[in-house]
Amino acid sequence: DAGVIQSPRHEVTEMGQEVTLRCKPISGHNSLFWYRQTMMRGLELLIYFNNNVPIDDSGMPEDRFSAKMPNASFSTLKIQPSEPRDSAVYFCASSLSTGELFFGEGSRLTVL
Amino acid sequence: AQRVTQPEKLLSVFKGAPVELKCNYSYSGSPELFWYVQYSRQRLQLLLRHISRESIKGFTADLNKGETSFHLKKPFAQEEDSAMYYCALMEYGNKLVFGAGTILRVKS
Repeated sequence: DAGVIQSPRHEVTEMGQEVTLRCKPISGHNSLFWYRQTMMRGLELLIYFNNNVPIDDSGMPEDRFSAKMPNASFSTLKIQPSEPRDSAVYFCASSLSTGELFFGEGSRLTVL
Repeated sequence: AQRVTQPEKLLSVFKGAPVELKCNYSYSGSPELFWYVQYSRQRLQLLLRHISRESIKGFTADLNKGETSFHLKKPFAQEEDSAMYYCALMEYGNKLVFGAGTILRVKS
């Protein structure tokens, strides 16, 4: 298994543009998480899904952020419109409800 | 609100010196705590969890409910221990909340 796969690895965009980040969890895992990593705030949980259903999206900063999980093997995190303060590394992780999360390599977003 | 606090952004020690990475938590129930590590150019990964009570790569962490702490310790630091360390707390429904992280630098 290649582990959690995220794309793109790097994204540079201009303020106001739409950004879509993608994640393929490990096959068989039933939980999927989206985190944002910044130097100032560390790892912040944005949203997580259990069995494709969003359970807690209280960490989603604003209405500009949305996440979907249409099936067990795919999730997206969308930012529309993007702003410079959204610049960060976005991680996707999946798990089998054991507390051990398996992380992707992250998507580094730069909004100019 | 439930919270995980790592008071140090950066901890710098010499090779062979003891290491203690601090973590304090706030949780109303029975906590389940973890340490995750991110080495340079590698994925964030689980280092250890308090329920297993094992030593991984020489690191140990003891849950102290009285002090609400879960500090990570190693008696003799090695250069390969240099990494970012995150303390994490599991809340309801498998939700994992992380602290802000501590960068450990081990100098030769």
